[in-house]
Amino acid sequence: GAVVSQHPSWVICKSGTSVKIECRSLDFQATTMFWYRQFPKQSLMLMATSNEGSKATYEQGVEKDKFLINHASLTLSTLTVTSAHPEDSSFYICSARDIGQGETDTQYFGPGTRLTVL
Amino acid sequence: GQNIDQPTEMTATEGAIVQINCTYQTSGFNGLFWYQQHAGEAPTFLSYNVLDGLEEKGRFSSFLSRSKGYSYLLLKELQMKDSASYLCAVMDSNYQLIWGAGTKLIIKP
Repeated sequence: GAVVSQHPSWVICKSGTSVKIECRSLDFQATTMFWYRQFPKQSLMLMATSNEGSKATYEQGVEKDKFLINHASLTLSTLTVTSAHPEDSSFYICSARDIGQGETDTQYFGPGTRLTVL
Repeated sequence: GQNIDQPTEMTATEGAIVQINCTYQTSGFNGLFWYQQHAGEAPTFLSYNVLDGLEEKGRFSSFLSRSKGYSYLLLKELQMKDSASYLCAVMDSNYQLIWGAGTKLIIKP
């Protein structure tokens, strides 16, 4: 089945540093990947839609200069949290849409990355 | 390996009751989540179960049996707007989410 991985699974960093999170589709190609942020027991908040070979589309209220997204290949998207602050501490989840399934809305979710900023 | 199973698709009638099952095999357990996802939208949190038993929240209820590796989401008084995909996800011992493939629920008038 379709598998999406994220790396790292958890990261602790100091305030002011930058952190890169990778999202990979392991056995399928994804022209579109999504980045979410999840707060405890709350809905996933869509941050941005990442399209291979083009600029990401950010949701309202998400700072694109702070959350840099690169989707350089059909199997990899990266989210870089620049100059991280404690309020950026959260659970970040990516998902990918399988290009081979055409227009279906099926998304395959990654296991998440827990970011703690000290 | 880790695995979450739920039916691919279910059909039910408006006003009726439907139960969506989820079975799991994971390395450790730190809770089970149910989400609703309408096409083109982000998943919406429905419930979180970490202890055995039934949690009721309005028209939606979620049940968990940790010994059986089993959960279900019960939707009552179905409305057309309940047509969506329902995702089951388990948080394992490393606090990673293991996702089911989702159950597409089709509501017919």
